[in-house]
Amino acid sequence: GAGVSQSPSNKVTEKGKDVELRCDPISGHTALYWYRQSLGQGLEFLIYFQGNSAPDKSGLPSDRFSAERTGGSVSTLTIQRTQQEDSAVYLCASSLATARSSPLHFGNGTRLTVT
Amino acid sequence: SQQGEEDPQALSIQEGENATMNCSYKTSINNLQWYRQNSGRGLVHLILIRSNEREKHSGRLRVTLDTSKKSSSLLITASRAADTASYFCATDEAGGSYIPTFGRGTSLIVHP
Repeated sequence: GAGVSQSPSNKVTEKGKDVELRCDPISGHTALYWYRQSLGQGLEFLIYFQGNSAPDKSGLPSDRFSAERTGGSVSTLTIQRTQQEDSAVYLCASSLATARSSPLHFGNGTRLTVT
Repeated sequence: SQQGEEDPQALSIQEGENATMNCSYKTSINNLQWYRQNSGRGLVHLILIRSNEREKHSGRLRVTLDTSKKSSSLLITASRAADTASYFCATDEAGGSYIPTFGRGTSLIVHP
């Protein structure tokens, strides 16, 4: 079946502009996660959703970052007034549930470059 | 939140050799997972080991877990050039949230 799909795959934007990143999880996966990966670094947790609600927003770096999920499916991560330090690969993952034994299925990410 | 740390940061071997990567973490966990990431791609789940397990196998992969030392190892036997990738461990803190936290990864290069 189809995996996790992220769009766009690449995004170049000017400093100060807003961007929206989209994630289509695997059908039926109730849990959805956003991570950020900077060059040569590990994954930095941003936010996760269980259904449409986000029990944990603790990883969002600033109030310029927000995310929503509608219909228990598609999620969008919005970054307002982008800064150069926002440049990174944004990875989305989904899993069947937030059960501790459910592996995460990742998309290929959106590479964001802020000039 | 805790974070696993992989060691070494980079590993370069010849095809046919074994590759061993280690992961250390800080607090008690429910399970530990290993993922693989090819360049420019997302992470792919390899194997999960629960806190009450000590060893697990999957094909050429062998994972061990030592909860007393708060460490895990991933062994890839008879490595192939196609195994070239970054490998990450992810831990799930006992009593904490369901959010896997990842280390910085080990970059493995297998020379043909």
